Amino acid sequence: DAGITQSPRHKVTETGTPVTLRCHQTENHRYMYWYRQDPGHGLRLIHYSYGVKDTDKGEVSDGYSVSRSKTEDFLLTLESATSSQTSVYFCAINDRENEQFFGPGTRLTVL
Amino acid sequence: EDKVVQSPLSLVVHEGDTVTLNCSYEVTNFRSLLWYKQEKKAPTFLFMLTSSGIEKKSGRLSSILDKKELFSILNITATQTGDSAIYLCAVEYAGNMLTFGGGTRLMVKP
Repeated sequence: DAGITQSPRHKVTETGTPVTLRCHQTENHRYMYWYRQDPGHGLRLIHYSYGVKDTDKGEVSDGYSVSRSKTEDFLLTLESATSSQTSVYFCAINDRENEQFFGPGTRLTVL
Repeated sequence: EDKVVQSPLSLVVHEGDTVTLNCSYEVTNFRSLLWYKQEKKAPTFLFMLTSSGIEKKSGRLSSILDKKELFSILNITATQTGDSAIYLCAVEYAGNMLTFGGGTRLMVKP
């Protein structure tokens, strides 16, 4: 599992509330990623990080922000959740061979 | 615009059959192509291909990349019910970024 955990694993929230998802890794990997997976759209990159305090936008970054204050933690925040953000969210890391491994996922439902 | 297309969208076979899954791509600054298997959870890594014509193999699964024609295939021989999953192809481009195809859903019947 490349030492990646995500929390929470499931969350139900209401429209307009803030939500933060956490990705934690134990192997000191430099690159970390947040994806969302939706039927008909596959996996799409939201944001990624290439080091502490170094982040950049992906394909579907609107409505999301990220922070990486420590190597091991990459946080994804929905400032004001909307129903269109109902999805499964995966965190991923790049290992030393540049192979990308995924965390177990967080299922988020916005009512 | 970068694009990764997988075919077929879905496939139903019987145990023991051989299947070939396809992935074509149009990506600038290509670096590698990756295959993943996804059951009812996170995608799990299968192969990473960087060089044309060199087959990667793991048990009954094998994959090859053609950088001239911009495609890759994933072969599964002697399929088993446990091979039922969605198979995802992704292309890595500059900056350690991946673009994913939509996946092929494989169902293997007993």
